[in-house]
Amino acid sequence: QQPVQSPQAVILREGEDAVINCSSSKALYSVHWYRQKHGEAPVFLMILLKGGEQKGHEKISASFNEKKQQSSLYLTASQLSYSGTYFCGTETPPGRRALTFGSGTRLQVQP
Amino acid sequence: DGGITQSPKYLFRKEGQNVTLSCEQNLNHDAMYWYRQDPGQGLRLIYYSQIVNDFQKGDIAEGYSVSREKKESFPLTVTSAQKNPTAFYLCASSIEGTRQETQYFGPGTRLLVL
Repeated sequence: QQPVQSPQAVILREGEDAVINCSSSKALYSVHWYRQKHGEAPVFLMILLKGGEQKGHEKISASFNEKKQQSSLYLTASQLSYSGTYFCGTETPPGRRALTFGSGTRLQVQP
Repeated sequence: DGGITQSPKYLFRKEGQNVTLSCEQNLNHDAMYWYRQDPGQGLRLIYYSQIVNDFQKGDIAEGYSVSREKKESFPLTVTSAQKNPTAFYLCASSIEGTRQETQYFGPGTRLLVL
């Protein structure tokens, strides 16, 4: 079953912060976050594993709450380059390594 | 440079025609995947393969077929049975055997129906 992402869209000014959530109705083994620019392939941001720690990459970090079966992506001091659609991909069924993706969160950062 | 290549970038299909999308990787990855993306939507899994000569259906396999004769290659055929093939098709690959690795995507093929 497809994870649910919220919000569906968000508009920010440069320097503002944003949080994107990804929730699943099933227990999660891992959550993978990607950013996609229009017409391009998704680019990997980070992976969070069951039992793992919160990850960070420059001003983008993420958390994974196993009990709530959800993950959150934190974008701080946003830059114009952060614009794009953010997807979470979840791995749930044992043995199926392919990811199931949410419908995406469209982020637009304005000057 | 290691990576995933997809060709062609754009593909046009006529009614009743089968078309094949190419996906090649030189990352020495065991697993390969095909996803379909419709405008404004997420990615949906068509087929995936964890090892050569083996593949499994994903969530929307009807109207598609694949083969995995070589580790580096995972072509996707869109058959005439797929009535609404217009979409962006993305191929991905990953290292098998560990859950600490993610999937990496190729640049995609945009398929349009004439």
